[in-house]
Parts: sequence; C-alpha cells; structure tokens
Amino acid sequence: QQQVKQSPQSLIVQKGGISIINCAYENTAFDYFPWYQQFPGKGPALLIAIRPDVSEKKEGRFTISFNKSAKQFSLHIMDSQPGDSATYFCAAFTGGGNKLTFGTGTQLKVEL
Amino acid sequence: DSGVTQTPKHLITATGQRVTLRCSPRSGDLSVYWYQQSLDQGLQFLIQYYNGEERAKGNILERFSAQQFPDLHSELNLSSLELGDSALYFCASRLAGDSEQFFGPGTRLTVL
Repeated sequence: QQQVKQSPQSLIVQKGGISIINCAYENTAFDYFPWYQQFPGKGPALLIAIRPDVSEKKEGRFTISFNKSAKQFSLHIMDSQPGDSATYFCAAFTGGGNKLTFGTGTQLKVEL
Repeated sequence: DSGVTQTPKHLITATGQRVTLRCSPRSGDLSVYWYQQSLDQGLQFLIQYYNGEERAKGNILERFSAQQFPDLHSELNLSSLELGDSALYFCASRLAGDSEQFFGPGTRLTVL
C-alpha cells in the first residue's frame, strides 16, 4: 500500500518560475516530513523538512507548505534554476516505526 | 559529502551469485538503514540496525540479510541473485534522537 502519494511524476519549469510538487499521506502517526533532492548517480540529500505542528517552513528558495487536516504537504521552489534540475522525493517518518516512507519521486527539469 | 561511505560503487555479477555491500555510517551515528532504489519500485526501505541490533524491517526478501558490526559499519548480503535485484542500494545513517537520515552515494548492482 502506497502510504505517500507524490505528484506530478515529472515537471518542466522555465528558469525563474515556481516549481510545485505535492504529496499526500495516509498514516496520521507520521511526525516528520522531509524532502530529498537526488542528482543522477548520487544518493538522496535532505533539502528541507517540516514537523506537523507548523504550517510552513522556508529555507532560501525552498518552502514546504503543510496541511495537517488534509494530510497533504507540498514543496515550492521559487525562482527555479537549471541547477535545480533533479529528482525530488517527499517522505514521511514515524519515530515509532523507525523508517522513512518515500513518495515515488518527481523529475524536475528547469529550462533556460 | 554526507559522511556516509559505501563500497563498492559498482558491482556486476551473474544470476545465482552472492554479493556483499558495505556501509560505514557517519561518525557517532548508531542507526543504519538500507534502501533499494529501482526504476519501477522507487526508494524502498529494506532494514534498519541500531547499535548492532535489528530494529525495523521493510520489504526485504528472505534472500537478503544484513548485519551491523561492533564498529558500527553494516553489510547487506544479497544471495541467489536474480535479474530483478539489479538496482541502486543506499545506506543511510541517523543520529540517535534525531530524525534526519544521511544517505551514502550508493552501490549500483547489475545482475546479468
């Protein structure tokens, strides 16, 4: 059972535009929601994360919006750059379960 | 550089064979996680060890096993390999009490 659903599967954005990736979860026991960025041939790297007690977290050009009642969270990349072209994974973690559950990934391409 | 190291980087072997993948966590991290990344299954959690003991199990096949040694490095053993086992295998480590997982660069396994 897919516990974290991610969309879209792929995304093309013009340089300077806003990239938006959405995720939805089912398990209300999740208490930590990270986003990972992965470049080809590399391991996933933590980009930004949020806990369910806040509705938004911003770090530079990256913002997570979190809607606890809807069980949804999204990643916004402002002023998208070609260097942002990568695969982005949302994930959810429960300390009790001791594991990260990943979304299926979004391949982002930022065009000039 | 996450501080997590994995060897080898690439591994090519034949069906029916057995291989061992190695992971060294970040200094001070007691938890080690193993993940499998394939094109059709995304990032799948396999197993977690904490200070030498198995803590959580995910979608790990019976042909696969892992262990964590007293120096905290971990090994993932894959036996009776099948074509479908071809994938990227990632190790991640986590500091006790923290939620963030740091991923290694991965081992790309190709089964011919």
